[in-house]
Amino acid sequence: RKEVEQDPGPFNVPEGATVAFNCTYSNSASQSFFWYRQDCRKEPKLLMSVYSSGNEDGRFTAQLNRASQYISLLIRDSKLSDSATYLCVVGPYQLIWGAGTKLIIKP
Amino acid sequence: EAQVTQNPRYLITVTGKKLTVTCSQNMNHEYMSWYRQDPGLGLRQIYYSMNVEVTDKGDVPEGYKVSRKEKRNFPLILESPSPNQTSLYFCASIQRGQAFFGQGTRLTVV
Repeated sequence: RKEVEQDPGPFNVPEGATVAFNCTYSNSASQSFFWYRQDCRKEPKLLMSVYSSGNEDGRFTAQLNRASQYISLLIRDSKLSDSATYLCVVGPYQLIWGAGTKLIIKP
Repeated sequence: EAQVTQNPRYLITVTGKKLTVTCSQNMNHEYMSWYRQDPGLGLRQIYYSMNVEVTDKGDVPEGYKVSRKEKRNFPLILESPSPNQTSLYFCASIQRGQAFFGQGTRLTVV
């Protein structure tokens, strides 16, 4: 079993729709959680940290469910520019990376 | 501007010819790491360093070497590259869980 698992997709979503995807992690001692975004084989960039109480940044909402060991990312009112691969990352000491979920927003 | 500089961006080389990929960060971070990324496999850690002169193996260290003589630099060395090391490589400088990446090196070994 992989330490961090994500559905690879692709998720094909019409512009303006809401999309959500999850990421599961195996180490119950994990303490830090992040979502990164990666565009077409460029370097990953931090999208947002995930806090225990859940957090929101504009159209993006991240949530953590420790009991079931998963984190989620919700994107509302999706834009064409949201098309990317979204990487789930679990820490804190050694960052463990999921393989990513590919999202394609269609006009 | 906080940045991680990685060179070269693209490299085509032949089997067995030693090469070095350089990585430099200007954020004074202690923790640096090298990853390779292959389709469907995500980022896999090659080596990491928690401080000057402190390096350790990641998940896929075979065929690679690193050094950390200064805090800012963390070069990746392939002593005898082989075709299975063809990949996209990223260097990262990490603090409090946030990773700052270089722009990547696309290496092809023929």
